[in-house]
Amino acid sequence: KAGVTQTPRYLIKTRGQQVTLSCSPISGHRSVSWYQQTPGQGLQFLFEYFSETQRNKGNFPGRFSGRQFSNSRSEMNVSTLELGDSALYLCASSLGAGQSSYEQYFGPGTRLTVT
Amino acid sequence: QKEVEQNSGPLSVPEGAIASLNCTYSDRGSQSFFWYRQYSGKSPELIMSIYSNGDKEDGRFTAQLNKASQYVSLLIRDSQPSDSATYLCAVRSNTGGFKTIFGAGTRLFVKA
Repeated sequence: KAGVTQTPRYLIKTRGQQVTLSCSPISGHRSVSWYQQTPGQGLQFLFEYFSETQRNKGNFPGRFSGRQFSNSRSEMNVSTLELGDSALYLCASSLGAGQSSYEQYFGPGTRLTVT
Repeated sequence: QKEVEQNSGPLSVPEGAIASLNCTYSDRGSQSFFWYRQYSGKSPELIMSIYSNGDKEDGRFTAQLNKASQYVSLLIRDSQPSDSATYLCAVRSNTGGFKTIFGAGTRLFVKA
């Protein structure tokens, strides 16, 4: 099975711009979660989606949004970029239902640099 | 209190020794617990999951869970230099909605 893919792998944006990141989960996985990883804060939870519904959202400002499509692919968007948004954005997929179905498999990440 | 706490380390052990990594969590209702390994510059990789109290063994890895003490641990036997990485503890919480919370990670160095 193909793993989780994320595009693009690297992005350089300017303050004030917006960005859209994409994630394709493992085939058959219905849940996608997004995380922001920085050296100082570790892995911070952004969103979790299951079957096109947002199940939960982390403590991030409204500039961060996301969605999931019917084929389980997911996108996240960050508007009005700030310098502090520079981070590695990780997507993880899981089956999404049932006890053992919360095992998450991560994509390679998108490295976002805001200048 | 952080939702998932780990010693940041670094933890340094000689090759062949047992490395012991610890994690505590705050949500008493949590049911699913995971250990991930993250090499520098790479994304986290799932190495163990545990759902019931007690021990679960997989090769050189043993995960231990004590729900009463809200404590999870990972033992790595016969540690190898290739085990040098950051180990992340993750807890599935249903309090306040569905989410998986990660600890800050423990850096492990295995000296040859």
